[in-house]
Amino acid sequence: AQSVSQHNHHVILSEAASLELGCNYSYGGTVNLFWYVQYPGQHLQLLLKYFSGDPLVKGIKGFEAEFIKSKFSFNLRKPSVQWSDTAEYFCAVNAQSTGGFKTIFGAGTRLFVKA
Amino acid sequence: DVKVTQSSRYLVKRTGEKVFLECVQDMDHENMFWYRQDPGLGLRLIYFSYDVKMKEKGDIPEGYSVSREKKERFSLILESASTNQTSMYLCASSPVSDGNQPQHFGDGTRLSIL
Repeated sequence: AQSVSQHNHHVILSEAASLELGCNYSYGGTVNLFWYVQYPGQHLQLLLKYFSGDPLVKGIKGFEAEFIKSKFSFNLRKPSVQWSDTAEYFCAVNAQSTGGFKTIFGAGTRLFVKA
Repeated sequence: DVKVTQSSRYLVKRTGEKVFLECVQDMDHENMFWYRQDPGLGLRLIYFSYDVKMKEKGDIPEGYSVSREKKERFSLILESASTNQTSMYLCASSPVSDGNQPQHFGDGTRLSIL
């Protein structure tokens, strides 16, 4: 069965610390991978995506993620976090389904950045 | 910019009531989705639709139904609300693609069943 695992449910960092959020997926087909972010009181929005080409993808606000096919991983990174990065982060994979694709989400990681 | 609008941000209903959650998107997307979001469980897919009048069950369809009479509108129906359906409900839409297009989300409806 298709699944997405996020390694940490809660992460607390100080400003300027580096961030890495782990994500592993289980899916045998062609992968399209996403990171979404949900800031407090806001709707989910796309942070970055990978579907082909360079496995290191860059997103908004200085985030990047690396697709490692052999490890079935798509970890999210940021060299120096800011207080405004406090949010919940969701890793997701698009899996083929009847009529098209459906998105499978991880359980989410809540990041709290201390000012 | 894509706009996905959910009819209510907050809703309080009683056990046994029939509840309707409405979602409208303005970008002519073929695909629409309903999720519920619970702490520690992420987003779980209830139903999705890839065309008008078409619907597919997601991972947790029990106790829910959906309606898609028009392309832009996707309704989630709780036939007889129960307390375990208290949750945040998210609607999303996306265009037809090879799977490489993200979904666009509404602001969510926080539903409480008393």
